[in-house]
Amino acid sequence: TQLLEQSPQFLSIQEGENLTVYCNSSSVFSSLQWYRQEPGEGPVLLVTVVTGGEVKKLKRLTFQFGDARKDSSLHITAAQPGDTGLYLCAGAQSSYKLIFGSGTRLLVRP
Amino acid sequence: DVKVTQSSRYLVKRTGEKVFLECVQDMDHENMFWYRQDPGLGLRLIYFSYDVKMKEKGDIPEGYSVSREKKERFSLILESASTNQTSMYLCASRVVGANVLTFGAGSRLTVL
Repeated sequence: TQLLEQSPQFLSIQEGENLTVYCNSSSVFSSLQWYRQEPGEGPVLLVTVVTGGEVKKLKRLTFQFGDARKDSSLHITAAQPGDTGLYLCAGAQSSYKLIFGSGTRLLVRP
Repeated sequence: DVKVTQSSRYLVKRTGEKVFLECVQDMDHENMFWYRQDPGLGLRLIYFSYDVKMKEKGDIPEGYSVSREKKERFSLILESASTNQTSMYLCASRVVGANVLTFGAGSRLTVL
């Protein structure tokens, strides 16, 4: 099973800074999802992108699906401590199978 | 809100013990999943179930079995726990046709 490669693996930034997390694969996905997982909780869906080149915004979070549907990025503007968590991307290859990325652990310091 | 409940949040077991991890969802979802989560490896699928009494192996089924006797309940069984099964176990469910998972809070298992 091929993992989605996420980078960076760990990111520690100051409140107010911007950041980008990348999710890359050599496989094509029919859709791609981003989840956030807080300590002691399960992952919670943030967004699903479906069309190559699609951009979706969720307040200060901007998600982009690559044109070839093999990669995605998550950009956070003016990060806040509440953004702290583990960010996981997951690509859909079939009607049931999601391939999860290795995760990016974000710490936003006040 | 859809709720997926994993009753055991933290377990400590000894090598060779039989372990049951229970998962219950309250929204009549057909599909249920068991993943394990390890640092740097993301989530890996152990087993999934399309519906009651139906199960399919995921990517890492070795050492695990599952049971789905009722639609709302999906159990993961470790017949003889080993130290390399120390991990976070996540249960998830979804409605057929929507590739969006709702996760439980996880069960952290330590095998000594």
